[in-house]
This record gives sequence, C-alpha cells and structure tokens, in this order.
Amino acid sequence: AQSVTQLGSHVSVSEGALVLLRCNYSSSVPPYLFWYVQYPNQGLQLLLKYTSAATLVKGINGFEAEFKKSETSFHLTKPSAHMSDAAEYFCAVSDRGNYGGSQGNLIFGKGTKLSVKP
Amino acid sequence: KAGVTQTPRYLIKTRGQQVTLSCSPISGHRSVSWYQQTPGQGLQFLFEYFSETQRNKGNFPGRFSGRQFSNSRSEMNVSTLELGDSALYLCASSFRGSTLAGGHPPTYEQYFGPGTRLTVT
Repeated sequence: AQSVTQLGSHVSVSEGALVLLRCNYSSSVPPYLFWYVQYPNQGLQLLLKYTSAATLVKGINGFEAEFKKSETSFHLTKPSAHMSDAAEYFCAVSDRGNYGGSQGNLIFGKGTKLSVKP
Repeated sequence: KAGVTQTPRYLIKTRGQQVTLSCSPISGHRSVSWYQQTPGQGLQFLFEYFSETQRNKGNFPGRFSGRQFSNSRSEMNVSTLELGDSALYLCASSFRGSTLAGGHPPTYEQYFGPGTRLTVT
C-alpha cells in the first residue's frame, strides 16, 4: 500500500533562509508525486508534480523538488523564504491509472506548517 | 477558465441529519474526487467519479455516498450525521482521457476547490 511521510509537522525559518520540507513515500511501482500548499481557510493549490520525466522538478513561487528513487524521497526546497510562503504544505502520491495519467485517489502526508520569521 | 467551485462554503447541521454538498469541476474536466480534511486524520480520500461512475472509493462508511451528473458536476451526501463528520470537505477535478500511444501517459493533476466547512452539532 502506498503511504507518505512528512518529517516535521512544524518548520520555522527566517525570511531569506533556505526552506526544506521533507517527504518520503512508499510505493511498489513508480508513483506520481505532488506537493500542494494550503493557506488558511482555502483549498489546496498545486505547487509541482513529478511524472517520471526529469527528477528535478520546478514549480510555482520558486519552489522545486528532487525525486530520489534510492532514498524514496521527494523533498521540497526554496532557496530564499518569503513571508508569503507561510502556509501548510502537503506531499501526496498516486498510482498510475488504467486510463492513463494518475489515479484519482491521492494519498496525502500529514502536512508541514511552515512559519517564516521576519 | 473558472476554477473548481463548491457550494455551500459553510454548513451547520445537527447530529442525525443528512447533508448534500455540491462540486462543479473545471470546464472540460471529467473526473471529480472528494476528500475529507480533519485536524486528527488529515486529508483522506472519499471517492472518485468519472463519466458518472464511481472509479475509486476510500475507507469510509456507507453513510458517505456520491454521484456525478452528465455535465460532470458531482454531489456527495452524508446521511445520519455524527459529530465526527465535522470537517472540511474538498472536491478536486482533473482531466482524464485515454492512454496515448507511445511515450509517457499524460499526467492529470487534481485541482482543488475552496472546500465546504461542515460543522455537526
């Protein structure tokens, strides 16, 4: 069965510092991997996705993630944190679907709340 | 292009009642998935509908049901509400087509609506 583990329920960084949010997955076949961000009282916004093309994936707002099969990891990074990055971040995995593309049932990690100090 | 819309945004119900939530996907998207988000359990998959058929189902009791209409709009229903059903219910839509011949199959990322906040008292 697939699963996702996000290390650290809370991460605090200073403005301008490196952001590193950790995600490890468990899957018997090459998965699709996603990072989503959620601001208070809002839905989820897709930051980036891994689909077995390039292992280094660039997303919106300066975020990127690297797929490392040997470590079963898909950590999210941003070189310089901004106050507007404060939010909760979710890593998710899905199987490949019979119809092509990913399955419709995302498995989410528990989330990491990012705080950014001025 | 308009995003995923969910109605209502907020709902207060009493234990034992039933509730229906609505989701309109992005135009052209044929797949709709539903998720429940609670502080204790996090984000959990409820079910997915594609072409008016349930394709995947999560581990929730039969009180949770859904359907999809020919225009891809979807509803989910929760009967005999319990206090533990208080949650943010998120709907997500994605494009689902057929596997392309050769090359990598297309990725159908999910786009989420703002959610319906259900409070059961």
